[in-house]
Amino acid sequence: AQSVAQPEDQVNVAEGNPLTVKCTYSVSGNPYLFWYVQYPNRGLQFLLKYITGDNLVKGSYGFEAEFNKSQTSFHLKKPSALVSDSALYFCAVRQGGFKTIFGAGTRLFVKA
Amino acid sequence: EAGVVQSPRYKIIEKKQPVAFWCNPISGHNTLYWYRQNLGQGPELLIRYENEEAVDDSQLPKDRFSAERLKGVDSTLKIQPAELGDSAVYLCASSLDRSTGELFFGEGSRLTVL
Repeated sequence: AQSVAQPEDQVNVAEGNPLTVKCTYSVSGNPYLFWYVQYPNRGLQFLLKYITGDNLVKGSYGFEAEFNKSQTSFHLKKPSALVSDSALYFCAVRQGGFKTIFGAGTRLFVKA
Repeated sequence: EAGVVQSPRYKIIEKKQPVAFWCNPISGHNTLYWYRQNLGQGPELLIRYENEEAVDDSQLPKDRFSAERLKGVDSTLKIQPAELGDSAVYLCASSLDRSTGELFFGEGSRLTVL
């Protein structure tokens, strides 16, 4: 069965520093991978996705993610964090059957 | 372009009462999803529609939950009767491409069962 793990409940980073939010997955076959962000009392917003091709994908708000097939990881990154990036981030995977499975989420705190 | 619209945003009911949530997906999106998000957790799929057909409802508690998507556009999710454990945020999402496309979410309906 497919699954997604976000090993960190919370990530703290200072404004201006690089950030990484980790995600690992387990699926059979080729996965489609996604990152979403959720602000308080709002629905999830799409950030970026990996379908095929270049392992480094760029998305909204300066975020990017690196697909690593050997490590079955899809970590979210940003070179310079902003206070406004503070939110809840969800990694998701979709495989055969078109069912999207979400991780438990990682709360990002960016301190000024 | 209008996004996914859900109503109501908030609902407080007593246990054993019925409740219904409504969703209007983005125009042209044939795939519609209902997710439940418990506090501090990721969304969990309840049901997925392709047009008006429910193609994945394996996680829908069918003894008390029901859903419909008449004419393949709007959808309604109903709970009857509600239990304390049903307190959660119910998210509706739609997508243009069911295989590679991202999901577009509404703002959710927060249910509190007392």
